[in-house]
Amino acid sequence: GENVEQHPSTLSVQEGDSAVIKCTYSDSASNYFPWYKQELGKRPQLIIDIRSNVGEKKDQRIAVTLNKTAKHFSLHITETQPEDSAVYFCAVYGGSQGNLIFGKGTKLSVKP
Amino acid sequence: NAGVTQTPKFQVLKTGQSMTLQCAQDMNHNSMYWYRQDPGMGLRLIYYSASEGTTDKGEVPNGYNVSRLNKREFSLRLESAAPSQTSVYFCASSEFRGLGYTFGSGTRLTVV
Repeated sequence: GENVEQHPSTLSVQEGDSAVIKCTYSDSASNYFPWYKQELGKRPQLIIDIRSNVGEKKDQRIAVTLNKTAKHFSLHITETQPEDSAVYFCAVYGGSQGNLIFGKGTKLSVKP
Repeated sequence: NAGVTQTPKFQVLKTGQSMTLQCAQDMNHNSMYWYRQDPGMGLRLIYYSASEGTTDKGEVPNGYNVSRLNKREFSLRLESAAPSQTSVYFCASSEFRGLGYTFGSGTRLTVV
């Protein structure tokens, strides 16, 4: 089955710096790659997603890049702000798995 | 619109007790899911219902049962609670399987 690995597990940056979180997957047939943000004590919420026919997608300060050949995708947050502090989960869909498979999460801390 | 509503928000059970977690969505979504979230483990799928009238096991189904009561409602039952089931439980729904999940606010369950 699909295996999703997410790195790093924790990330601490200074306000204004950039943050990058990377996920790798194993099933080359996977075709949908969302990212979720979960603030402390809250529900996960979809922040950006990308499909396999696109290499990059941006939405203001966040972007996702996909390398299908290498089977990895990354979340990029620029000009980080304290409100970006949260746990971020990548997920993968498609291939032999009929449901989203989540990474184990990255706890991002943005220090003012 | 309420989105995905879960009840209760908090629950403490004694080992061996039973309970049902309720989930309802008002978005006319076809697919519904139950996940558990444990520290360092990410989100693990317990059961899912791809469409009304169907249910299937996910990654960690042991000790749980589900019922897709109608298109709106999907309940999770613990027949004989164990301390290993202490977790935060999230219900989610999507229009199509695997895509565009909306999560409920979660149920924090403690089994003593």
